[in-house]
Amino acid sequence: ETGVTQSPTHLIKTRGQQVTLRCSSQSGHNTVSWYQQALGQGPQFIFQYYREEENGRGNFPPRFSGLQFPNYSSELNVNALELDDSALYLCASSFSAGGSDTQYFGPGTRLTVL
Amino acid sequence: EDKVVQSPLSLVVHEGDTVTLNCSYEVTNFRSLLWYKQEKKAPTFLFMLTSSGIEKKSGRLSSILDKKELFSILNITATQTGDSAVYLCAVDRPLSAGANSKLTFGKGITLSVRP
Repeated sequence: ETGVTQSPTHLIKTRGQQVTLRCSSQSGHNTVSWYQQALGQGPQFIFQYYREEENGRGNFPPRFSGLQFPNYSSELNVNALELDDSALYLCASSFSAGGSDTQYFGPGTRLTVL
Repeated sequence: EDKVVQSPLSLVVHEGDTVTLNCSYEVTNFRSLLWYKQEKKAPTFLFMLTSSGIEKKSGRLSSILDKKELFSILNITATQTGDSAVYLCAVDRPLSAGANSKLTFGKGITLSVRP
C-alpha cells in the first residue's frame, strides 16, 4: 500500500458528460501526476501539479483540466466526454526536490464512457 | 518524442523458470529508468536505476541499466505464480517547466507463471 488513494473506484458516464476524479497524495509528498491507461497500453502522462500549479502537460486536449489543493490532494476534470476517454485513470504522488523522484501510484479510477 | 519499447509483450513460463524482461528507450535528458509491477490496478514500484552497470536486487528480482546502449533488463529467478503481472518500464526526464519528473511508459510485458 502506497498511501495514495483515489475515488471513485469505478464510474460510468455517457458521451458529452463531465467527470471529476479525486486523488489524495501520500503524506509528505508535494507533487501529483495524472496518467491515462487504456486497455493493453502503458500509462500516458496527462499533467502534473506541483505546489498547486500545473507544472507540465502531455498531449491531452484542454478539456482535461486539474487542480491541486493546499493539502496536495488533486482533482482531474474531464469535460465533453468521448468514448475514447474510457480508461483507467491513475494518479501518482511524489516528493519533488529537483532530482529524479519516485512516483507512487494510487489504485486508479476505472472510467467507462457509453 | 520520447520512446520506450518493451519486449516481449507477453510471456508464459512455468514456476521455477528464470525470465528476462527487456526495455529499450530513446529519451532526451534522461534522468532515470524505473520498473513497476502492475497486478490489478496500481503499479507498484520495483526499482529506480540511474547509473550504468550497477545491478539493483530485491529478493528474486534484479535489474541493470546500460546507458550507452539505452536499455535495461529485469530478471526474475525461480518464478512463482504470484509473479504473474504486467511489468512496466518507464523513463524519467525533467519536465520542461521545471525540474520535476515526467514518466514515459512502455506498453508493458504480461508475464504469466503457470504452476
